[in-house]
Amino acid sequence: EIVLTQSPGTLSLSPGERATLSCRASQSVSSGYLAWYQQKPGQAPRLLIYGASSRATGIPDRFIGSGSGTDFILTISRLEPEDFAVYHCQQYGNSPPLTFGGGTKVEIK
Amino acid sequence: QVQLQESGPGLAKPSETLSLTCTVSGGSISGYYWSWIRQPPGKGLEWVGYIYYGGTTNVNPSLNRRVTISVDTSKNQISLKLSSVTAADTAMYYCARGSGYYVYWGLGTLVTVSS
Repeated sequence: EIVLTQSPGTLSLSPGERATLSCRASQSVSSGYLAWYQQKPGQAPRLLIYGASSRATGIPDRFIGSGSGTDFILTISRLEPEDFAVYHCQQYGNSPPLTFGGGTKVEIK
Repeated sequence: QVQLQESGPGLAKPSETLSLTCTVSGGSISGYYWSWIRQPPGKGLEWVGYIYYGGTTNVNPSLNRRVTISVDTSKNQISLKLSSVTAADTAMYYCARGSGYYVYWGLGTLVTVSS
């Protein structure tokens, strides 16, 4: 089973700043099959990125996914007020089981 | 637009079997994989398992012996049964379409395990 470790646990930033979220895998994620989700309180997760770097339909271009192997990054180039949420990474290349990281909370500083 | 709606009892007693249903509207179950994912309060997401519309399943090994996932194409429904529940099974349970990354999710249903 691939373990995904997200860091930091919490990121305190102001609107307009750049956010950099990390997701590290315990072993290489096959074919870069890594996804990122945004989750707001009381809501289901929303897919942002799949295949490590492809944006899902309707996702603004300020969300940028990068990385390969064991190290992946989600960058939010300029934080908008609606971007403050919890972000989860997920691998689907070495399954079962599919696995998720523990999440990074992006909060308003 | 595909919509998924989970339903089931919000409360289960320890050692009982939890039964949940996911009803799909706005599209057919046929041709797709369907997954269950859960999230304990304040914690991260955990993949429970998935089923292909034809009936093939794959379940998280950590839950393997306790999980049954089934599909009813005539009703456009997917079901989850989790046996011998404990407080550790208290979570929001989501159904989602797919077996890799997930575009379509239900709103989730909260299940609390308590005597």
